[in-house]
Amino acid sequence: AQKITQTQPGMFVQEKEAVTLDCTYDTSDQSYGLFWYKQPSSGEMIFLIYQGSYDEQNATEGRYSLNFQKARKSANLVISASQLGDSAMYFCAMATDKLIFGTGTRLQVFP
Amino acid sequence: KAGVTQTPRYLIKTRGQQVTLSCSPISGHRSVSWYQQTPGQGLQFLFEYFSETQRNKGNFPGRFSGRQFSNSRSEMNVSTLELGDSALYLCASSPTSSYNEQFFGPGTRLTVL
Repeated sequence: AQKITQTQPGMFVQEKEAVTLDCTYDTSDQSYGLFWYKQPSSGEMIFLIYQGSYDEQNATEGRYSLNFQKARKSANLVISASQLGDSAMYFCAMATDKLIFGTGTRLQVFP
Repeated sequence: KAGVTQTPRYLIKTRGQQVTLSCSPISGHRSVSWYQQTPGQGLQFLFEYFSETQRNKGNFPGRFSGRQFSNSRSEMNVSTLELGDSALYLCASSPTSSYNEQFFGPGTRLTVL
């Protein structure tokens, strides 16, 4: 069965610090994609970063990087230099024939 | 380029009624996917349309249906509404059938009384 697991319901981080949000996945497919989305209180899902299963290098997008460890089936999101505007829900997702999401992690950045 | 738009943004219905939600994808995008988000079940895939054909369907009852028009706009219909259908319904579009270029709309928040 395909599954995404996010074990951290909530995380706190101080402004300008780095934070890692955990994500593990389970699939028997060889080809898949891994995503992270940010959902502010407004509700809209904002794409952050993508990693393909065959990509050898970890994806990076500005302050976001995806720590992809294929053997461990993990795809953690690292946010460097946190900002107050980073406070939101963060969802890890996996795409095979459809997109499935984890339960999310609520990140709160404090001054 | 305009983003994905969803109408209406908010909707209140009563049990037993039916509802139609609309999604206009980004210009040039041919794939539209629908998701339901609830506090209890999280984000769940409903279905995906590509060039007017349903490509994938999630595990939802037949009361949930959709369609896509030739201009790629999509509608989702829920018949015989139940209290548990109260949710944020998100639509996402992508230029191809690949999920790695998918952009989400602001969602329609449906409340069933």
